[in-house]
Amino acid sequence: QVQVVESGGGVVQPGGSLRLSCAASGFTFSSYGMHWVRQAPGKGLEWVAFIRYDASNKYYADSVKGRFTISRDNSKNTLYLQMNSLRAEDAAVYYCVRDGGYSYGRAKDYWGQGTLVTVSS
Amino acid sequence: QSVLTQPPSASGTPGQRVTISCSGSSSNIGSNSVSWYQQLPGTAPKLLIYRNNQRPSGVPDRFSGSKSGTSASLAISGLQSEDEADYYCAAWDDSLNGWVFGGGTKLTVL
Repeated sequence: QVQVVESGGGVVQPGGSLRLSCAASGFTFSSYGMHWVRQAPGKGLEWVAFIRYDASNKYYADSVKGRFTISRDNSKNTLYLQMNSLRAEDAAVYYCVRDGGYSYGRAKDYWGQGTLVTVSS
Repeated sequence: QSVLTQPPSASGTPGQRVTISCSGSSSNIGSNSVSWYQQLPGTAPKLLIYRNNQRPSGVPDRFSGSKSGTSASLAISGLQSEDEADYYCAAWDDSLNGWVFGGGTKLTVL
């Protein structure tokens, strides 16, 4: 069965850095685009970044552009999110999400359980 | 302020039909597919509807989606207590070059 499991969350000071990882299994990771979506405490969902199946294209929300970098290692079935210059408003649960592809209208069809990032001094 | 506009709350009694709206623009809903997600309390979101009106396997046919112009709707018929959750719409936005979500609608089953 399809599984995506996030790790790497924790407490970081404002201005600090953190790298999130997402281990994928149960599907051909190298054939799917992947997203990071976040949810601040008590708030709604916010799309953060997307990477194509072959890493040929990457897209970012304006709120993280220039500070966050999405990447992947298809040999390790792993997705990453490098987060630099963290701000209080980046505090959230970060979800690793599979893109269902064009047959699914690019809907996000599988979600991990999320990893919590806290930004506090 | 979310790019896609949803009512913050909706409610209904068991057995009723409830509709949740999602309003956008020509750059998102008007030209791209809409998907809907259900987030039960304390859990990760789950795909409910894709390509405007398609249900993934395992999603009951009580859930249906529709799209017209720059708006979309999620309908839930035969409302059940376990449908109490937050619901989000989403679409690609051609102007922003990214995905956008609605602010979410909290559904209460009275």
